[in-house]
Amino acid sequence: GAVVSQHPSRVICKSGTSVKIECRSLDFQATTMFWYRQFPKKSLMLMATSNEGSKATYEQGVEKDKFLINHASLTLSTLTVTSAHPEDSSFYICSARDYLAGATQETQYFGPGTRLLVL
Amino acid sequence: AQSVTQLDSHVSVSEGTPVLLRCNYSSSYSPSLFWYVQHPNKGLQLLLKYTSAATLVKGINGFEAEFKKSETSFHLTKPSAHMSDAAEYFCVVSDKTSGTYKYIFGTGTRLKVLA
Repeated sequence: GAVVSQHPSRVICKSGTSVKIECRSLDFQATTMFWYRQFPKKSLMLMATSNEGSKATYEQGVEKDKFLINHASLTLSTLTVTSAHPEDSSFYICSARDYLAGATQETQYFGPGTRLLVL
Repeated sequence: AQSVTQLDSHVSVSEGTPVLLRCNYSSSYSPSLFWYVQHPNKGLQLLLKYTSAATLVKGINGFEAEFKKSETSFHLTKPSAHMSDAAEYFCVVSDKTSGTYKYIFGTGTRLKVLA
C-alpha cells in the first residue's frame, strides 16, 4: 500500500517551453502533497505544499509563477515548470500523506521522481 | 526550531559487518523522526519511523533505530550489511509547528558496502 507514482520519469525539453509533471497517489487519498527538488548528491529541498482544492503554499525563494502547482483531486497533483531554462534542470520528487490515516499522520510517501533536463 | 544533523556524509563498511548511520536532532517538543533510503535515481523509501511509542524501532530490511532523548539521537543500525544496502540515507524530523507537518531533512549519508 501507500504507492505514489510520477509521470514522466524523465523529460528533456527545449529552453522556453513548459513541462508538466504528474504525481498520483495510487491506493490512498491525499489531501496534502509536497513537491521537492533535489540537486545532484544533495538533500531534498521542499518547494511547495499542495492542498487539494486550494492554492499551494510555496517555500521562501521559490517562484510561484514559474512552478505552477495544481491539486485538483484527492489523488492527483501537478507541477508545471513554465518557460523552463537550463538552471531548472533537476530531479523533482513528490510525496503524499494519507488523508484517511488521520490529521496527525505525518508519514510522507514518496514518488520515484522525475528527472528534468532543459537544453 | 527543529533540525537534524547527520554526522557522516559517507560511511563505508564491508559486506557482513554492522552498519551505523548517525543522526542527532534538535526539537523543542517530542519529535517524530524518520529514516528514508534513496537508491540511485529513485524516490525515497521509508525504512522506519519513531512517533513517541517504543524507543527501539524496527524497520524494513533488517534496519532498526533507537530514540535516545538524553542524547538527542536517532541512529540507524543494521547487524550485517548487504551489497544492496548501498544507497543514500536521510534522517528526517517532522515539523509539528507547521500545520502540514513539513519534513526537515538531514544532509544525507552515503553508504558504501565493500565486497
